[in-house]
Amino acid sequence: KNQVEQSPQSLIILEGKNCTLQCNYTVSPFSNLRWYKQDTGRGPVSLTIMTFSENTKSNGRYTATLDADTKQSSLHITASQLSDSASYICVVSFSGNTGKLIFGQGTTLQVKP
Amino acid sequence: DGGITQSPKYLFRKEGQNVTLSCEQNLNHDAMYWYRQDPGQGLRLIYYSQIVNDFQKGDIAEGYSVSREKKESFPLTVTSAQKNPTAFYLCASSIEGATDYGYTFGSGTRLTVV
Repeated sequence: KNQVEQSPQSLIILEGKNCTLQCNYTVSPFSNLRWYKQDTGRGPVSLTIMTFSENTKSNGRYTATLDADTKQSSLHITASQLSDSASYICVVSFSGNTGKLIFGQGTTLQVKP
Repeated sequence: DGGITQSPKYLFRKEGQNVTLSCEQNLNHDAMYWYRQDPGQGLRLIYYSQIVNDFQKGDIAEGYSVSREKKESFPLTVTSAQKNPTAFYLCASSIEGATDYGYTFGSGTRLTVV
């Protein structure tokens, strides 16, 4: 079954601290993996997109890693800010199957002052 | 500015009533999608369209209908047959499909049954 599983389900950290979110997937054939940030009541916004040949990609304080062999990805947030409080969604797309994305259930991050 | 616009932001539906959610994009994208988001669950695909006048059912199409008469517009109707319509609905568009990098989401419509 094609699935994307994220952990933890929720996370609370203090402002300025780092954190890492996990994503495991069983989607095949794999095309790319994306991380999105979704603020409450808003649409998801893309942070990073990686193909199977890429194993790390950064976007400011966000760094995503991908291990296509173990089918795992992580999103590392450095020096967290209050504005990082949001849901982070891992999304995997099929190769050669237009329109099909598999979404994880998201990790809700709360950054406290 | 190019983007994808959903309206209204909030919508209330009475039992037995059909309602239509609007989605408009000026990105010149060919493909458009509708997703449903429920708490604690991943987004689920309702319908998608890759070209004008053509659309395909997604994973949870029952109780929903769509049309694609113009490239820019992909409205979603939630019919009275949808027994649990309260959810957050997201529209998205892309240049040609899920594998491209231009996948863009709207800001969503929250539908509540009253």
